[in-house]
Amino acid sequence: QVQLQESGPGLVKPSGTLSLTCDVSGGSISSSNWWNWVRQPPGKGLEWIGEIYHSGSTNYNPSLKSRVTISVDKSKNQFSLRLSSVTAADTAVYYCARVGGYDSSGWEIYYFDYWGRGTLVTVSS
Amino acid sequence: SSELTQDPAVSVALGQTVRITCQGDSLRSYYASWYQQKPGQAPVLVIYGKNNRPSGIPDRFSGSSSGNTASLTITGAQAEDEADYYCNSRDSNGNHLRVFGTGTKVTVL
Repeated sequence: QVQLQESGPGLVKPSGTLSLTCDVSGGSISSSNWWNWVRQPPGKGLEWIGEIYHSGSTNYNPSLKSRVTISVDKSKNQFSLRLSSVTAADTAVYYCARVGGYDSSGWEIYYFDYWGRGTLVTVSS
Repeated sequence: SSELTQDPAVSVALGQTVRITCQGDSLRSYYASWYQQKPGQAPVLVIYGKNNRPSGIPDRFSGSSSGNTASLTITGAQAEDEADYYCNSRDSNGNHLRVFGTGTKVTVL
């Protein structure tokens, strides 16, 4: 059973950098999966931030791309999120999640199959 | 802004059927997956692909798709199905990015 656990500071100052790590257990980060970050501001919906493959390939939400870096550390079986120049609008519960999937008759079938429990990050002075 | 649109809220009587829809151009080319989220908890996958349920998800949950609309149906809704539901798929620009729907609050009366 794959388990993901987010860790990092719960409070970040405005204009600072948010840094979170997701530890993966019960499976290898070098498997054929994409490793994702998703956030949810209080009382609002889910927002996809971005993802990384073990090779280092990344995809980012265009609305956050200029501020986001996702990296992977295969030796520690973990991946990380950095979000720079944060404001109060970046206050949210941040989730790490695994995307699994396959191709079926030419159709992509992908889904977020494992999620961390989430960690609240507040941006405030 | 999200490229997948959902109704903000729906209600259903206990034991009745409710359908939640997700609309977006990308759904003509990609399947949606569906997630249930209860307060204070992480989302849980309930439907993926054409109509697949992960182990442990009751068979009262089913999925379907037509044109630019994906649907999640709960047949015989239970009190424990009261939650927020989100669809997810690719964006519509062909660049393999992911996007969540706006979310639907399901209330079981």
